[in-house]
Amino acid sequence: DTGVSQDPRHKITKRGQNVTFRCDPISEHNRLYWYRQTLGQGPEFLTYFQNEAQLEKSRLLSDRFSAERPKGSFSTLEIQRTEQGDSAMYLCASTPVLTNTEAFFGQGTRLTVV
Amino acid sequence: DAKTTQPPSMDCAEGRAANLPCNHSTISGNEYVYWYRQIHSQGPQYIIHGLKNNETNEMASLIITEDRKSSTLILPHATLRDTAVYYCIVSPPDNAGNMLTFGGGTRLMVKP
Repeated sequence: DTGVSQDPRHKITKRGQNVTFRCDPISEHNRLYWYRQTLGQGPEFLTYFQNEAQLEKSRLLSDRFSAERPKGSFSTLEIQRTEQGDSAMYLCASTPVLTNTEAFFGQGTRLTVV
Repeated sequence: DAKTTQPPSMDCAEGRAANLPCNHSTISGNEYVYWYRQIHSQGPQYIIHGLKNNETNEMASLIITEDRKSSTLILPHATLRDTAVYYCIVSPPDNAGNMLTFGGGTRLMVKP
């Protein structure tokens, strides 16, 4: 297994368009997380799944954002009607189901809204 | 909000030890101290974590003060590839979801 992979690595879109990102976690990891990182800041938690269940969502996750993990494997994060403020790096991470364990991050998807 | 305070930037000479401090004066109960780093344009990478005792692994050593209000991450022989932003994170013991609250981190520049 090569770790957490994210696709695409870069996305440029026009304001108002919808975008979808994909994350493939480490295969034996039940938990999958999405974070957002803006320039010069640390990553901010958005949401996480345990298997296919979305267990927690940050207040940062507006109603234009939706995340799914339909079969408990890969996950998608969709942003509808993108705004310039959505420009950021979107990071995915995965962990096994253990309290206080290390997270493995993907390389991220850099979104630029023009 | 992050419960840690770190200097925004530090320099270190290649081959020397890099000592990165972190203040977590409001740490309570059995909260863990985690360190991650992020090399430019990559996702964060786990380094080490600890509760009360000092810890060492192949990447670094973590020294936690007896009162647990601060810690130091030590990279014993820094290389140019250690140039990155280093994040110190306090995580509660009941963090069954393992969510991480990142602060601003310390930008470490290793110079030749």
